[in-house]
Amino acid sequence: NAGVMQNPRHLVRRRGQEARLRCSPMKGHSHVYWYRQLPEEGLKFMVYLQKENIIDESGMPKERFSAEFPKEGPSILRIQQVVRGDSAAYFCASSRGRGGDKNIQYFGAGTRLSVL
Amino acid sequence: DAKTTQPPSMDCAEGRAANLPCNHSTISGNEYVYWYRQIHSQGPQYIIHGLKNNETNEMASLIITEDRKSSTLILPHATLRDTAVYYCIVRPLNTDKLIFGTGTRLQVFP
Repeated sequence: NAGVMQNPRHLVRRRGQEARLRCSPMKGHSHVYWYRQLPEEGLKFMVYLQKENIIDESGMPKERFSAEFPKEGPSILRIQQVVRGDSAAYFCASSRGRGGDKNIQYFGAGTRLSVL
Repeated sequence: DAKTTQPPSMDCAEGRAANLPCNHSTISGNEYVYWYRQIHSQGPQYIIHGLKNNETNEMASLIITEDRKSSTLILPHATLRDTAVYYCIVRPLNTDKLIFGTGTRLQVFP
């Protein structure tokens, strides 16, 4: 897991507030993936980004959730107007590219979001 | 919608080999098999992957049957720190995302 940096590790928000989760990929990786793990459930894919582009957002909720991966800086997963059901662990992964060995995804330690 | 089937749980004595099976009978010719594990509350950790041939690295060995319909992850000398949920994943060719199933919860006991 070393290499993919996520912060904060723990985030507490009240209902209606915004949550911003950050992910810095491993050195040399330009592909970022976000996954969500609800309590006692498996990991679910949310979104896949390359620099400045969203490639696949098929797992993103239609409202309140957005993601970006700017040319400079970390990838951001933004949740607006959080609700209790957003409480989960959010994991970021990165890879060198697409296909075969380049697509091996390495995960960060996650951000645990708690909504009060 | 995982394309794999794994037993929900397994036990293994410390120091013994842990053999974790996975069925992927609908796998396509060019789809890789990936193994990850998740130790409690941590991020998933990549273990190994393969296409057709058996693979070995410093963590584990992956044995893929000749018809590619199943595979086995082998931890040669399990330790208590190997206690985790192990996920076998077949990633479809037309997608970059990993689809996690429910995995196998491996408990290594002293």
